[in-house]
Amino acid sequence: QVTLRESGPALVKPTQTLTLTCTFSGFSLSAIGMSVSWVRQPPGGALEWLALIHWDDDKYYNTSLKTRLTISKDTSKNQVVLTMTNMDPVDTATYYCARTPPESSGYYLDHWGQGTLVTVSS
Amino acid sequence: DIQMTQSPSSLSASVGDRVTITCRASQTSGRYLNWYQQKPGKAPKLLIYAASSLQTGVPSRFSGSGSGTDFTLTITSLQPEDFATYYCQQSFSPPTPFGQGTRLDIK
Repeated sequence: QVTLRESGPALVKPTQTLTLTCTFSGFSLSAIGMSVSWVRQPPGGALEWLALIHWDDDKYYNTSLKTRLTISKDTSKNQVVLTMTNMDPVDTATYYCARTPPESSGYYLDHWGQGTLVTVSS
Repeated sequence: DIQMTQSPSSLSASVGDRVTITCRASQTSGRYLNWYQQKPGKAPKLLIYAASSLQTGVPSRFSGSGSGTDFTLTITSLQPEDFATYYCQQSFSPPTPFGQGTRLDIK
């Protein structure tokens, strides 16, 4: 069965760099067509798509956040890592990772982690 | 980048009602449009992908339609567990933005 779990600090200070890890099981990110995305949601707010990494290491980013985001994978550990630099209080949100299955009709997200709340405050 | 606009932003309805939520894309996205349901404190759940394909395990009272720039999610005969927030997502190619959400609550 497919599971994803986000981990990382619950609290970061302004200007710091956030590093989040998505650890998954039940699938391999080396499978052709597989991808993992990051999505965030501020308290009481809407979902915001952040980044995606493909099985072949192709990467895509939210255009407005592109300069601050880096996504990477460690296939041997079944992990995807997201870093976001220069954190600001407006980046306070629940951060989710989610999977797109191979041979999918578009990049839909069929399995999600439970999310991790990151608060940015001094 | 494609922008997604949902309407209405909120909606009140009663158990047994039929409701429709719309999503408009700023550029055509073919049929690459997904719908998610989110309940408070929970991760989103995929309901519909590719505009009209029902995800496994989702009740048949949920349906999706549309193509190009205009899409709809319809829920027939609302059940108590359907009161939640619904999001559309364009998914032709990344970036794959979400709409701003539609909150469905009990009248």
